[in-house]
Amino acid sequence: SQQGEEDPQALSIQEGENATMNCSYKTSINNLQWYRQNSGRGLVHLILIRSNEREKHSGRLRVTLDTSKKSSSLLITASRAADTASYFCATDGGTSYGKLTFGQGTILTVHP
Amino acid sequence: EAQVTQNPRYLITVTGKKLTVTCSQNMNHEYMSWYRQDPGLGLRQIYYSMNVEVTDKGDVPEGYKVSRKEKRNFPLILESPSPNQTSLYFCASSPGDRGYTGELFFGEGSRLTVL
Repeated sequence: SQQGEEDPQALSIQEGENATMNCSYKTSINNLQWYRQNSGRGLVHLILIRSNEREKHSGRLRVTLDTSKKSSSLLITASRAADTASYFCATDGGTSYGKLTFGQGTILTVHP
Repeated sequence: EAQVTQNPRYLITVTGKKLTVTCSQNMNHEYMSWYRQDPGLGLRQIYYSMNVEVTDKGDVPEGYKVSRKEKRNFPLILESPSPNQTSLYFCASSPGDRGYTGELFFGEGSRLTVL
């Protein structure tokens, strides 16, 4: 089964609203990353949070990590139509560097 | 411009006809990896390479081969393609010099159809 699983699978909001996506994983990790993908394009790295960090910010993005619950959330504040994309979390294999596992993604649609 | 370049971007082929998808990066990255993306299944790792001449299997290596003879190149080889290998393929690279995988830089993808 997938190491990282996103929730919800799809999210539809209005411009200006906040968007929250969640990721759960099963085994211990060294770090967790979030990526964005515009339709059919390559993924773009958004943010990386290490297992000993609880929260990280980058512009309008806020990522939290709860290792006791094996979950992470990505918050996009004041969303824009240009934020419309798929968002994926990715976890490494804990003791196995290099083996990166992606979740199935959340499709975010931001309506103007 | 720092980039990961994949070729071909689109390919339609027939069952059993060997093909190679090339991947090249110009960022002197140690780590490279291949993924396939299928609807409802997200991205699944095929193979990865921590450095030249070092490759390891990901989650779905069956039917694929890779080689890492040079740092910049990491070709994906399908010796005898089958229809279940129809997919969107991504190559990615990362500095890989910090003791963890780190931020991945992705190519634009190669859409492969096997008839």
